[in-house]
Amino acid sequence: AQKITQTQPGMFVQEKEAVTLDCTYDTSDPSYGLFWYKQPSSGEMIFLIYQGSYDQQNATEGRYSLNFQKARKSANLVISASQLGDSAMYFCAMPSGAGSYQLTFGKGTKLSVIP
Amino acid sequence: DAGVIQSPRHEVTEMGQEVTLRCKPISGHDSLFWYRQTMMRGLELLIYFNNNVPIDDSGMPEDRFSAKMPNASFSTLKIQPSEPRDSAVYFCASTMITGAGANVLTFGAGSRLTVL
Repeated sequence: AQKITQTQPGMFVQEKEAVTLDCTYDTSDPSYGLFWYKQPSSGEMIFLIYQGSYDQQNATEGRYSLNFQKARKSANLVISASQLGDSAMYFCAMPSGAGSYQLTFGKGTKLSVIP
Repeated sequence: DAGVIQSPRHEVTEMGQEVTLRCKPISGHDSLFWYRQTMMRGLELLIYFNNNVPIDDSGMPEDRFSAKMPNASFSTLKIQPSEPRDSAVYFCASTMITGAGANVLTFGAGSRLTVL
């Protein structure tokens, strides 16, 4: 079974600074993908970024990028130039198994951006 | 696109009562997922439908929970009888499975259930 680990329950970052949120995973599947979602205090789950295991370059979406290190089984989310609106819970997720489409989520990291 | 629509947004009920949560997936999406989120257990998959057929219901806690998808545009999650430990936020999500690359789940706003 897939396992997602987010070891940072909470993180603080100064506004305009960059921050890295950690995610490690365990899978025996040769091909897989990693997702990051944001959950603000209003509660909705917002998709941020995706990385496939065979993608040659790290994924980027605006201020979000993935630091994907396959050998270390880590897929850390980097947020550049943090904004107050980035304060939220962040979840790392991956498909529950080969050929599956349901996602297994990590426990999440609560990011607080300090003005 | 209106996104995934869930109702009710908030439900407060008493132990033993029946609760029905509703979901309208994004038009054209062929897969629908029900998740439950609690502080203790995080986000857990309850059940997953593809083309209205339940594919994986291994996450359904017990017989008190049931889910249906009578057509491509509607799904329900029913709890009968409800218990205080069912208190959680229930999310519905949908996606169009392409078989390649990212199948991004789009989530609804969630239904916050409180069982007294």
